[in-house]
Amino acid sequence: EAGVTQSPTHLIKTRGQQATLRCSPISGHTSVYWYQQALGLGLQFLLWYDEGEERNRGNFPPRFSGRQFPNYSSELNVNALELEDSALYLCATVAPQEFQYFGPGTRLLVL
Amino acid sequence: GNSVTQMEGPVTLSEEAFLTINCTYTATGYPSLFWYVQYPGEGLQLLLKATKADDKGSNKGFEATYRKETTSFHLEKGSVQVSDSAVYFCALLSYGNNRLAFGKGNQVVVIP
Repeated sequence: EAGVTQSPTHLIKTRGQQATLRCSPISGHTSVYWYQQALGLGLQFLLWYDEGEERNRGNFPPRFSGRQFPNYSSELNVNALELEDSALYLCATVAPQEFQYFGPGTRLLVL
Repeated sequence: GNSVTQMEGPVTLSEEAFLTINCTYTATGYPSLFWYVQYPGEGLQLLLKATKADDKGSNKGFEATYRKETTSFHLEKGSVQVSDSAVYFCALLSYGNNRLAFGKGNQVVVIP
């Protein structure tokens, strides 16, 4: 069975641009979580989507947004990129009554 | 709010040594507790978990016991290998907000 997949693996942008990151869940998983792993800041919860709806968001500005599609895959969009947005972005997916399984991440570098 | 505290700093030890990484937590209710491992250049992998007090999670020679009285979930392994070199994260999941709260992680380096 395929695990959680994320694309692209690496992304280089400049300040002010927009970034789009993608996550495909394990079959049967309906919830998607996004986390940011920035150097020195640890893992921070970003967003939680379930059944196509945003259920919760962490302490991040509105320029971090996303959506979940009918096939339960998800996009994370980061607008007006800032240098401090450089980080590893991890997606995790969950089936009901199970635990979070993580993808390999997208490494975003903002120059 | 929910939070997880891991001991500061990297851990460097020799092959076959005993490993302990401390983890304490603050949470309302009865959270589930986890250890995740991140190998170089990879995402997070679930190492072990415990869902209620006194549960012991174990996997690949690693163990951790959910201690409600001391709000701890310390990770231990009796004899580490070079392949155990990775970053280890303690985390909790409090049902209701459904988000994982992570500790800052500990880099473990095992020297041959």
